[in-house]
Amino acid sequence: AAGVIQSPRHLIKEKRETATLKCYPIPRHDTVYWYQQGPGQDPQFLISFYEKMQSDKGSIPDRFSAQQFSDYHSELNMSSLELGDSALYFCASSLGTNQFYGYTFGSGTRLTVV
Amino acid sequence: DQQVKQNSPSLSVQEGRISILNCDYTNSMFDYFLWYKKYPAEGPTFLISISSIKDKNEDGRFTVFLNKSAKHLSLHIVPSQPGDSAVYFCAASARYGGSQGNLIFGKGTKLSVKP
Repeated sequence: AAGVIQSPRHLIKEKRETATLKCYPIPRHDTVYWYQQGPGQDPQFLISFYEKMQSDKGSIPDRFSAQQFSDYHSELNMSSLELGDSALYFCASSLGTNQFYGYTFGSGTRLTVV
Repeated sequence: DQQVKQNSPSLSVQEGRISILNCDYTNSMFDYFLWYKKYPAEGPTFLISISSIKDKNEDGRFTVFLNKSAKHLSLHIVPSQPGDSAVYFCAASARYGGSQGNLIFGKGTKLSVKP
């Protein structure tokens, strides 16, 4: 069965550079969530989208922005990268919000800022 | 402030025995709880969930118990198998409290099942 696809799997950037992470949800899933997991930390909710509209916002820095496109894939744009942005970024998708039906995570993008 | 707490960072169990992973929460608005299993270099994989209207949910070797008055839930794995060795995350959501489906995670418990 198709899963949540995240690209790239690994990314190395320098401080003050920008990065774009992509997430392709499970087919027919209309909701995408982004999480950030720092070293030794629990996954922290960043932002979510339902039907291409932002549905909820968590601890996402102002330097980050995200959107969901017409094909339901989502991109997380990160600017002015800092060393502390080094983390594993997970995307999850589900069918509808508040339902958790098929709430599935991708394998993550490991971002390293040097 | 950590709303979902997993106080044991690690747990070691002998194969065939029961593994009990614990989770405490502070937000009384949480009404849906999930357990995820995570292997290195992979995303969290859904294991089992429970709604706040229940106190037990069972799926094969996995059972989740919810004690609302104590704001405590636990995951029981019996019998434990070496393939169960992974990090287990407890997660919660306040579905009707405006969270729109996002999950609050605990820090995880690393389970090691020894043959």
